[in-house]
Amino acid sequence: EAQVTQNPRYLITVTGKKLTVTCSQNMNHEYMSWYRQDPGLGLRQIYYSMNVEVTDKGDVPEGYKVSRKEKRNFPLILESPSPNQTSLYFCASSLWGHTEAFFGQGTRLTVV
Amino acid sequence: SQQGEEDPQALSIQEGENATMNCSYKTSINNLQWYRQNSGRGLVHLILIRSNEREKHSGRLRVTLDTSKKSSSLLITASRAADTASYFCATVMNSGYSTLTFGKGTMLLVSP
Repeated sequence: EAQVTQNPRYLITVTGKKLTVTCSQNMNHEYMSWYRQDPGLGLRQIYYSMNVEVTDKGDVPEGYKVSRKEKRNFPLILESPSPNQTSLYFCASSLWGHTEAFFGQGTRLTVV
Repeated sequence: SQQGEEDPQALSIQEGENATMNCSYKTSINNLQWYRQNSGRGLVHLILIRSNEREKHSGRLRVTLDTSKKSSSLLITASRAADTASYFCATVMNSGYSTLTFGKGTMLLVSP
């Protein structure tokens, strides 16, 4: 079954404690991206990757890092999380950046 | 930066009625896509319409695109309670390498 898998689904952490949210896709897609969704603000893109070892900033990259060492995986790293990064995070993949996107189920992150 | 803006923000109808949501955008697009999100879940792709297309159908969904007015509409006919969800338009701009930019969504409530 074609899917994008994110882990964990829920995470509560403390300010400053590094964390990683994993994302994996099984569709051999070139393009992957991370979004955050906040009430009243819709989905905003954090980072995206057009291929292995190729990443670029989206609209709200501050406080986040990503890596794309393998085609199927695109982890999101928060080196020093802060409360304003409390949000619902989605990973997505698509064949190309302009084609149909497949979304993971989301990671609800709370930073206290 | 957000390009698409959905209207209305919220819509409440009875089962069997039609639901129409609109999306306006600012710059020239390559394509426009509609997605659905059940509460707190991942987004699901509904339909993609290219800039040279004016109308597309998929089951009970009908999407129109008016590039002269920079607007699109999503019509759901004969709504069901299961259609209750948030609906987002996402645009791919026509300049350089572009990715999906989402609007803030329309929340649709279909009452039995």
